[in-house]
Amino acid sequence: QQQVKQSPQSLIVQKGGISIINCAYENTAFDYFPWYQQFPGKGPALLIAIRPDVSEKKEGRFTISFNKSAKQFSLHIMDSQPGDSATYFCAANPNRDDKIIFGKGTRLHILP
Amino acid sequence: NAGVTQTPKFQVLKTGQSMTLQCAQDMNHNSMYWYRQDPGMGLRLIYYSASEGTTDKGEVPNGYNVSRLNKREFSLRLESAAPSQTSVYFCASSFATGNTEAFFGQGTRLTVV
Repeated sequence: QQQVKQSPQSLIVQKGGISIINCAYENTAFDYFPWYQQFPGKGPALLIAIRPDVSEKKEGRFTISFNKSAKQFSLHIMDSQPGDSATYFCAANPNRDDKIIFGKGTRLHILP
Repeated sequence: NAGVTQTPKFQVLKTGQSMTLQCAQDMNHNSMYWYRQDPGMGLRLIYYSASEGTTDKGEVPNGYNVSRLNKREFSLRLESAAPSQTSVYFCASSFATGNTEAFFGQGTRLTVV
C-alpha cells in the first residue's frame, strides 16, 4: 500500500515563529509533491508543490525542503501569522497516470 | 469563475435512505474525484474518474456508487446510508490524474442518523 506519512498531527506556534510539518513516503516512483492548505469550512487548495529534481522551493514565506535519499519532504512557514492557522496536507503522485495520495493532515494553530 | 460546485452543502439522512451528491466543474478538466474527510483520517479517496466515460475505485468505495454523467459532472450516490458514512464529502477535479493541481469544491457535510 502506497503511503504518505505526515507529522505532527497538530502544531501550535507563536506568531512570528517557524512552523515545520514533515512528510515521509515509501514509493520511490513518486515524482510530484504538493502541499494543500485547508481553512475551516472550505475545501483544500494547492499551496506549493515540488518535483524531485530540486531540493528546495520557496514561495514567499512558504518553503518546501526535499530530501530524495531519505524520502522525506517538509513544509516550512517562516514568520508564521494567525492567518496561517489551517489544516495542511502533504501529498504525492506515484506517476503521471495515477491519482494523488494525501497525508492525514496537520492542524496548525498560530498564537496571536 | 465557479470552479468546482457541490450540492447540497448540508444534508441529514436517516439510516437506510438514499441520496446523490452532485458535483460540476467548469474548468474543462478531464479528471474528477470524490473524497471523504473524517477527523484524524485525512482525505480518503472514494472513487475517481480519470476521463469521461471511466470510473475507478479508490481507497474506501464500499457503500458508494458514482456516475460520470459528462465531462463536467460527477455524482456520488449512497444507496442505503449508514451512520459510518457521516462525513464531509469533497469533490475535486484536475486537468489530468497525476502531477497536476487538484481543485476542490466547498464540501458537503452529511450526517446519517
